[in-house]
Amino acid sequence: EAQVTQNPRYLITVTGKKLTVTCSQNMNHEYMSWYRQDPGLGLRQIYYSMNVEVTDKGDVPEGYKVSRKEKRNFPLILESPSPNQTSLYFCASSLGRMNTEAFFGQGTRLTVV
Amino acid sequence: DAKTTQPPSMDCAEGRAANLPCNHSTISGNEYVYWYRQIHSQGPQYIIHGLKNNETNEMASLIITEDRKSSTLILPHATLRDTAVYYCIVRSHTGANSKLTFGKGITLSVRP
Repeated sequence: EAQVTQNPRYLITVTGKKLTVTCSQNMNHEYMSWYRQDPGLGLRQIYYSMNVEVTDKGDVPEGYKVSRKEKRNFPLILESPSPNQTSLYFCASSLGRMNTEAFFGQGTRLTVV
Repeated sequence: DAKTTQPPSMDCAEGRAANLPCNHSTISGNEYVYWYRQIHSQGPQYIIHGLKNNETNEMASLIITEDRKSSTLILPHATLRDTAVYYCIVRSHTGANSKLTFGKGITLSVRP
């Protein structure tokens, strides 16, 4: 089954403790991205990647890092999480940047206390 | 990307057609109209997209006005599982970043 898998689904952590949210897709997609969703602000893009070793900032990249060492994986790294990064995070992938359909993961609900 | 305007909410009866409107009066010639939906904090799901012709797939139909300033998503026989937030997005296929710009969307409630 074609899917985008995020882990963990839920995470509560403390300020400053480094964490990684993993994202993996099994569709051989080139394009992957991360979004965060906050009440009243909708979904906002954090980072995106057009292919292996090619990443760039989205609209709200501060406080986040990403890497794309393999085509299927696109982890989101929070080196020093802060409470304002408490949010619902989604990973998405599509065949190419022009491709019509983006597939989203089920989301990771992160709480930073 | 051009912005879209959607009513905040609407409802319809189960089994009836749900017609979801969207205004995009500043859309430019190379921008497509996309619809996604999000069911209760799950990941958004692609529904359909179009440029200027009407489109239909197994989920829905998309009707775009001739001047392309507005469109309507039609769910022909709404079910309770169609209750969700529906996002109308205008998106160019040029540029390096293929991001989707989500607005507030319209909350569709399907009643039994």
